[in-house]
Amino acid sequence: EVQLVESGGGLVQPGGSLRLSCAASGLNFRNYAMNWVRQAPGKGLEWVAGIGGSGDSTDHADSVKGRFTISRDNWKNTLYLQMESLRAEDTAVYYCAKRTAWQFDSWGQGTLVTVSS
Amino acid sequence: IQLTQSPSFLSASVGDRVTITCRASRGISNYLAWYQQKPGKAPKLLIYVASTLQSGVPSRFSGSGSGTEFTLTISSLQPEDFATYYCQQLDSYPLTFGGGTKVE
Repeated sequence: EVQLVESGGGLVQPGGSLRLSCAASGLNFRNYAMNWVRQAPGKGLEWVAGIGGSGDSTDHADSVKGRFTISRDNWKNTLYLQMESLRAEDTAVYYCAKRTAWQFDSWGQGTLVTVSS
Repeated sequence: IQLTQSPSFLSASVGDRVTITCRASRGISNYLAWYQQKPGKAPKLLIYVASTLQSGVPSRFSGSGSGTEFTLTISSLQPEDFATYYCQQLDSYPLTFGGGTKVE
């Protein structure tokens, strides 16, 4: 069974930094593209970033480009999201999700990031 | 690519047939997925490539469409189906989600 477990969320001041992690198990991690999706309180889903299985290709939403960086360590079966210059509007639950072809078929439970002074 | 879901809210009763529409701002072939989300939980994949039912999802859920117009249908609404539903396009980056439809 695929398991994705996010960690690293918390309270951070505006302008601060945070690194989220997503530990994967139950799959051949390097075979799958991975993504981060966030959900602000009471709002809908927003795709944040995606990375190919080898880590060579990445894409980021315009709203986070230049501030967030997605990466992965296939030896540790772990996905990361480095977040810099955080803003109040980045407050959200952040989910990692495994992509298989044309769907996100496994999701973590999410980790809450709160940006506030 | 923008995805517009309608309606945003839907009031329904157990046993009702429910239809949710998702319109894309340009053609996305059939690269559309549907998710169900309950409060405090992660989204759950229901349907992918517009009409393929994810393993383990009840057959009362079905999807159709291609190009720019897609529908999710629940043939007979069950108590556990009261939730928010999202469409997602995977045709091209940046990937996008619809605004959601809350079934209550």
